[in-house]
Amino acid sequence: SAVISQKPSRDICQRGTSLTIQCQVDSQVTMMFWYRQQPGQSLTLIATANQGSEATYESGFVIDKFPISRPNLTFSTLTVSNMSPEDSSIYLCSVGLHQETQYFGPGTRLLVL
Amino acid sequence: GENVEQHPSTLSVQEGDSAVIKCTYSDSASNYFPWYKQELGKGPQLIIDIRSNVGEKKDQRIAVTLNKTAKHFSLHITETQPEDSAVYFCAASKVRSQGNLIFGKGTKLSVKP
Repeated sequence: SAVISQKPSRDICQRGTSLTIQCQVDSQVTMMFWYRQQPGQSLTLIATANQGSEATYESGFVIDKFPISRPNLTFSTLTVSNMSPEDSSIYLCSVGLHQETQYFGPGTRLLVL
Repeated sequence: GENVEQHPSTLSVQEGDSAVIKCTYSDSASNYFPWYKQELGKGPQLIIDIRSNVGEKKDQRIAVTLNKTAKHFSLHITETQPEDSAVYFCAASKVRSQGNLIFGKGTKLSVKP
């Protein structure tokens, strides 16, 4: 597996502001992903963070709301823009190490007031 | 697209008893089935996975079975301990298609001492 860290671990934000979440891996990985987990719910894929090109977004998620950067093979950021209370969730990054297996970071717990 | 159903949503057992969580999937092309354990305040942790060329896989107290014909797979935990208390998620995807993990809604397992 890999050691994955996320910053911040939690935050409380005001509506209308933006928050950038960082994901750091201790080894180079090809695939990095961002998920949202709404309170008491399952995990939903937001996008695949591609190194050197734009992220690939899933249906229902758009770049203007969730811009993603992937400057190298060990780091990615997800920004939650113009936040509303509906954005209160856990945001998780994951990495793919071999074939289809994914490992998750500890998550960022976001509360929007 | 793929749809994964997971049952039960909550499960309470006495310490030492066995626990079984069941999932069904809809896409017959799915052939990779991981199970994740999520403790409170943490990210999902991969605990076991199975590929469709195998009917059963075991790792100490944890086992997973797969019935491709019926399109269902199950997690079995024997000799449960209080530290097994967590939310468990099943997922399904196609091999070599990272990022395409479809998750069940989760099962909250409580092990009473």
